[in-house]
Amino acid sequence: EAQVTQNPRYLITVTGKKLTVTCSQNMNHEYMSWYRQDPGLGLRQIYYSMNVEVTDKGDVPEGYKVSRKEKRNFPLILESPSPNQTSLYFCASSSGAIMFFGPGTRLTVL
Amino acid sequence: EDQVTQSPEALRLQEGESSSLNCSYTVSGLRGLFWYRQDPGKGPEFLFTLYSAGEEKEKERLKATLTKKESFLHITAPKPEDSATYLCAGQISGGYNKLIFGAGTRLAVHP
Repeated sequence: EAQVTQNPRYLITVTGKKLTVTCSQNMNHEYMSWYRQDPGLGLRQIYYSMNVEVTDKGDVPEGYKVSRKEKRNFPLILESPSPNQTSLYFCASSSGAIMFFGPGTRLTVL
Repeated sequence: EDQVTQSPEALRLQEGESSSLNCSYTVSGLRGLFWYRQDPGKGPEFLFTLYSAGEEKEKERLKATLTKKESFLHITAPKPEDSATYLCAGQISGGYNKLIFGAGTRLAVHP
């Protein structure tokens, strides 16, 4: 089944404790992206990658890092999480205009 | 500034009561207007793409339309299973797959 997977689905952590959210797609898509979703604000792009080793900032990149060493994987790294990064995170991939989203990771930073 | 605004924020309908959701946009060089459906605890799922004013697309009880300033998602004779949040997004020119999302409309259809 064609899909985007994310892990973990739920995460509660404390301020400053480094964490990684994994994202993997099995559709051989070149383009991958991370979004965060907050009430009343909609989905906002954090980072995107147009191919392996090619990444760029989206609209809200502060406090996040990404890497793209393999085509299928695009992990999101929070090196020192803060409470304002509490949010619902979505990974997405596409090979054209249509974006396919993962199931989401709900992150709480205490 | 590129912006997408959806209204209403929430909509409650009785089963069979048709209505429309609105998406107004100010996006420079709009390449496409996208509609997604999002169920609780899940990621957005693609519904439609519209590329030019006057274009319409249909899927079951849903029909999406596009003008130069806004898009509508018409829901005809909705059923409870149509309950979801509907997201609208504009794809901007110059940015590969860059989508600007609205905040969504939460639709609840009651039997």
